[in-house]
Amino acid sequence: QVQLVESGGGLVKPGGSLRLSCAASGFTFSDYYMSWIRQAPGKGLEWVSYISSSSSYTNYADSVKGRFTISRDNAKNSLYLQMNSLRAEDTAVYYCARVGGGVTVNWFDPWGQGTLVTVSS
Amino acid sequence: QSVLTQPPSVSGAPGQRVTISCTGSSSNIGAGYDVHWYQQLPGTAPKLLIYGNSNRPSGVPDRFSGSKSGTSASLAITGLQAEDEADYYCQSYDSSLSEVFGTGTKVTVL
Repeated sequence: QVQLVESGGGLVKPGGSLRLSCAASGFTFSDYYMSWIRQAPGKGLEWVSYISSSSSYTNYADSVKGRFTISRDNAKNSLYLQMNSLRAEDTAVYYCARVGGGVTVNWFDPWGQGTLVTVSS
Repeated sequence: QSVLTQPPSVSGAPGQRVTISCTGSSSNIGAGYDVHWYQQLPGTAPKLLIYGNSNRPSGVPDRFSGSKSGTSASLAITGLQAEDEADYYCQSYDSSLSEVFGTGTKVTVL
């Protein structure tokens, strides 16, 4: 079955860096756009970034642009999120998700279980 | 701050019908972009409930239905069940912001 498993979350100080990973299985990873979405504690969902199947196209929310970098390794069926210059407001559960649809008709299915990132001194 | 507005909460008795609205603008729903809906049970990851305004993925009960009109969309749950108690989010594309989610609605089964 289709499965996404995130890892790499943890406690980091403001200004620090962290790299999240998402291991995919049960589908042809290289055929799909992939995305990161986050949810601050007790808050709603916020789209963070997505990457095309060949890595040729990436897009970011304004809140993370210039600080976060999305990437993928199709040979390893893995998605990554490099997070630099972390701020307290980046504290959230980070989910990876497969992107369905196409162009401007994108939905997210399925989602991983999430990994918690806490930015605090 | 989300550009898609949902009511913070809705409630209903078992068996009743409830609806959740998702109000956008001319740069997202009103521009013709599709709306998708997710269900997030307590302590779990979100799950796709409706895609492309009104389509249900395999396995989603037909008690859930979606619609879109103008700058708004709606999710209806008929025959409300205790297991439907969850948070629900709409999502669409915005020409200025890319992907956007609604503010979220907590459904309580009385």
